[in-house]
Amino acid sequence: EADIYQTPRYLVIGTGKKITLECSQTMGHDKMYWYQQDPGMELHLIHYSYGVNSTEKGDLSSESTVSRIRTEHFPLTLESARPSHTSQYLCASSESGTYNSPLHFGNGTRLTVT
Amino acid sequence: AQKVTQAQTEISVVEKEDVTLDCVYETRDTTYYLFWYKQPPSGELVFLIRRNSFDEQNEISGRYSWNFQKSTSSFNFTITASQVVDSAVYFCALSEVSGNTPLVFGKGTRLSVIA
Repeated sequence: EADIYQTPRYLVIGTGKKITLECSQTMGHDKMYWYQQDPGMELHLIHYSYGVNSTEKGDLSSESTVSRIRTEHFPLTLESARPSHTSQYLCASSESGTYNSPLHFGNGTRLTVT
Repeated sequence: AQKVTQAQTEISVVEKEDVTLDCVYETRDTTYYLFWYKQPPSGELVFLIRRNSFDEQNEISGRYSWNFQKSTSSFNFTITASQVVDSAVYFCALSEVSGNTPLVFGKGTRLSVIA
């Protein structure tokens, strides 16, 4: 059973607000990821981290930033939210050292920017 | 470059029918891993199966079965006697051993099982 938590589950905010989406895992996984999922289902990798103080941008150009100060915590921040940021955001983690480790996903945060 | 194609965007079947979800992949690596994930309406992606490139044996788990064929670069997923609870979006994914890059997902197939 995966232990990865995302908060909030749902969020509605106004344009221009700064928000942080939280993601925590209790499995001690070094690798963590943020995906944005559009209404058409497709998953877009926006950020990932392979360990503390290591972050990389993914395939999708994003106006968000991430930090990895602790192994278990990988928050995603939008400095100024826009309606185009309305989407579902999924956090995931996996074991390090092996490329065949499956990703464990959180329940997601559904963000609506008005 | 690695790529995963799920050509079926949406499939609808009547309960108890069998259904196959197609997955075709591209990679230059000789060692890689293939995955299937299920995303029910609740939203959380659930890991279903992992297969490495050296193991072409088909796998069966209850009503689920997977057919891996390197000759056609395919990793298809079949649900036998489908049930309403199988309604979900299913994603195929590829992980290359070299390059240390994250998992690459297909665009997903939405399966609707009608009672």
